[in-house]
Order: sequence, then structure tokens, then C-alpha cells
Amino acid sequence: QSVLTQPPSVSGAPGQRVTISCTGSSSNIGAGYDVHWYQQLPGTAPQLLIFANNNRPSGVPDRFSGSKSGTSASLAIAGLQAEDEATYYCQSYDINLPASRVFGSGTTVTVL
Amino acid sequence: VQLLQSGAEMRKPGASVKVSCRASGYAFKGYYIQWVRQTPGQGLELVGWINPNSGGTSYAQRFQGRVTMTRDSSINTAYMELRGLTSDDTAVYYCAREEGHSGSVYLDYWGQGTLVSVSA
Repeated sequence: QSVLTQPPSVSGAPGQRVTISCTGSSSNIGAGYDVHWYQQLPGTAPQLLIFANNNRPSGVPDRFSGSKSGTSASLAIAGLQAEDEATYYCQSYDINLPASRVFGSGTTVTVL
Repeated sequence: VQLLQSGAEMRKPGASVKVSCRASGYAFKGYYIQWVRQTPGQGLELVGWINPNSGGTSYAQRFQGRVTMTRDSSINTAYMELRGLTSDDTAVYYCAREEGHSGSVYLDYWGQGTLVSVSA
């Protein structure tokens, strides 16, 4: 069971906006640690999508945005496209865990 | 920047496996390497990380006592050895480069993954 909780799935029609939540606790997100997001397309390695809560690496469309508040973070995808069908993972830092890094449980986005 | 992992492995229960991750295109000693695994149909799970400069390591609790991470800086390669394999260890193992600072580390480059299959 992941320390960071995400909804198993979200879906939306092309062009819609969807959001994915990542809920943690006072030992990780709530302690002020940054949240990062990864996109994993089927059959491929994950790729960095958002780092440090709301920063996009070069090449990531501005349709993707991140935010953080309290013990939770969110990833928003605006103008959903078929190519956005993937699984999305959040990651943060947890002071109570050996090795300190922790992943979310993952959310599969389906484009209807 | 590229992380190139060794090929797929098949092992019997109780055996060990050692996966390599060769880095190129950047200063190997300047960035931690994190190992992550993904069991079939499941999510990402931290195995641990290694500091290629000092050799220091830290492992997730469920792997402590069973995993060893090492590096050979002369060939820019990190290794992850997992012992006492069971069928539950069947997974794709990824290495990834850590960027950022303590308290805010993220994985900006990933290897292609190595499938480890454990079966009698």
C-alpha cells in the first residue's frame, strides 16, 4: 500500500480537463516536501512530467500543470488528447521512510 | 544523457540477480542513481539509491538485507543485486538518475528497464 494515495483511474473526453490527486501526510507532502509527477505510456519507462510541484521540463506541453496544498498535490491535464492515455505517478520525500523517496499508487487516464 | 541497462534475466527461486546500469553523457559521480521496480500490472516501487561518488546507499525497508547496490566509477556503471529471489520479485527493474536536492529529488532520466523473471 502506497504512502501517497492516487485515484486508480480517471477519464475524460478529448478536449476536457482532468485532474489527478495525490494525497499524503504530515511526514511527506504536508511537511513541505516537493511533489513530482511522471507519465508512463504503455510498455515504456516512466518519464518526468512535472518537477518541484509545478515546473515542466523542456518539451512537456503547457497543458500539463501541477499544484500543491497542505498534504495533497494535483496534476491537471487541460485539453485532453488521445496521446495522454497513460498512467501517472506522483513522487515525494518522506522523513519517516528508509531511503526517503516514495511513489504514489498511480492513476490511469483514459480518453473516452 | 543515457542510462543503458543490462538485458532480461531468468532465475529460479532462491537465486540472485545482478542488474547493471551504464551511464553516459554526464558526470557519473555527480548524481545519485535510484532503482525502482514495477511488478506486472502494478505501480512503481522504490528499491533504493546509491551515491556514485561515495558509494553510500539507502534501501527501502522491504528490501533491506536482500539487496546490495554498488558502482564502478571507472566504467560509469551502477549495479543492483537482489538475493533470495521469489516469484514476487518478477518485475521490471529501472535505474534512474536523481536530480534536485535533499528533500526534493526527482528522476530526470530513466533506463529502459530490465525484466527479471523468477520461476521454478
